[in-house]
Amino acid sequence: GENVEQHPSTLSVQEGDSAVIKCTYSDSASNYFPWYKQELGKGPQLIIDIRSNVGEKKDQRIAVTLNKTAKHFSLHITETQPEDSAVYFCAVSYGNKLVFGAGTILRVKS
Amino acid sequence: DTEVTQTPKHLVMGMTNKKSLKCEQHMGHRAMYWYKQKAKKPPELMFVYSYEKLSINESVPSRFSPECPNSSLLNLHLHALQPEDSALYLCASSQDVLWQGNTGELFFGEGSRLTVL
Repeated sequence: GENVEQHPSTLSVQEGDSAVIKCTYSDSASNYFPWYKQELGKGPQLIIDIRSNVGEKKDQRIAVTLNKTAKHFSLHITETQPEDSAVYFCAVSYGNKLVFGAGTILRVKS
Repeated sequence: DTEVTQTPKHLVMGMTNKKSLKCEQHMGHRAMYWYKQKAKKPPELMFVYSYEKLSINESVPSRFSPECPNSSLLNLHLHALQPEDSALYLCASSQDVLWQGNTGELFFGEGSRLTVL
């Protein structure tokens, strides 16, 4: 089935620390794995994505790693800042659809 | 212009009312989507339009009726809704529908918050 598990559901970190969010999926045919950030009162916004032929991708303070064998991928945010506080959703392509994980509420304490 | 614009931002309606949500994008995207998002939950796909034709209907009740008048506009017509339909309705667009060779980045609007009394 179209299953995406995301952990943790909430994450509190001190400003400047790193944050890691993990997702697992079920279909080995899935080949596209984006991460979306949703701030209060706004729609989700793509922050980084990775395709199945790549193991890691980095964009400044944000990185995503993919383990296709184990069917899991992770979002890494380094040097967290208060403006990183938001809900983060992983997503997985299942055929021609994106299925979202349950979301992680990230709180960065200053 | 990388915006998806949704109107209205807030809508309150009774169970017998007929109302519509509207969505507009001018990025030349050929795929448009309706998602439903309940509080503290992820977006759930409702409908996908590709080249102005309905390509996916996720078994949505007929009280929700989508319409794509042209490549820039997407409407969601609402009739005889139930209180449990209260949610944030998100419109999104992408260059093309997701497939093996396409990144499928979705551009979301800010949503229309619907309350059904």
